[in-house]
Amino acid sequence: SQTIHQWPATLVQPVGSPLSLECTVEGTSNPNLYWYRQAAGRGLQLLFYSVGIGQISSEVPQNLSASRPQDRQFILSSKKLLLSDSGFYLCACSDSNYGYTFGSGTRLTVV
Amino acid sequence: AQSVTQPDIHITVSEGASLELRCNYSYGATPYLFWYVQSPGQGLQLLLKYFSGDTLVQGIKGFEAEFKRSQSSFNLRKPSVHWSDAAEYFCAVGATGFQKLVFGTGTRLLVSP
Repeated sequence: SQTIHQWPATLVQPVGSPLSLECTVEGTSNPNLYWYRQAAGRGLQLLFYSVGIGQISSEVPQNLSASRPQDRQFILSSKKLLLSDSGFYLCACSDSNYGYTFGSGTRLTVV
Repeated sequence: AQSVTQPDIHITVSEGASLELRCNYSYGATPYLFWYVQSPGQGLQLLLKYFSGDTLVQGIKGFEAEFKRSQSSFNLRKPSVHWSDAAEYFCAVGATGFQKLVFGTGTRLLVSP
């Protein structure tokens, strides 16, 4: 089965600082990869998804970007964080064998 | 476009009582439907999913859900709630079992003694 490693678990960053969240996947090849953000009371919002190396689709315009440098690595980045970037970020992967799996999430607080 | 509505933001249930969480979806074809549970500060755990076949789906932890195409609903039920069931519950819809999912805004379940 798939396993997702997502780190760090919590992060406090000042406004204007850069961001890099990393997610790696085990137990599958060529999965679809996703970044979701969860803001209080707003459910899960899909930010980016990728169907292959270097292939990124953005679902909403925002201050963030994503990259997939390797088949099982997905990175969420920002050059300058905004207060509104605070939230709980979840990485997920899916494939036809195992369906969907979520990571344990990163709590980002921008101060 | 796909969408999911969970009309109840919060629900409080007494321990031992029955539970039903509502989910309505909008999708043009036969949907793939999911229920996930999230404990505070944690990722999402799959409770159950519906792809096709029997419209009453059994999941983990004693949960079940019923797909009703005529009502575009996929409500989650449990006959007797335990204090450990207190969490946030998300309904989701997808075009397949492994492509991007659209989530509802979630229902927070509180269990009173």
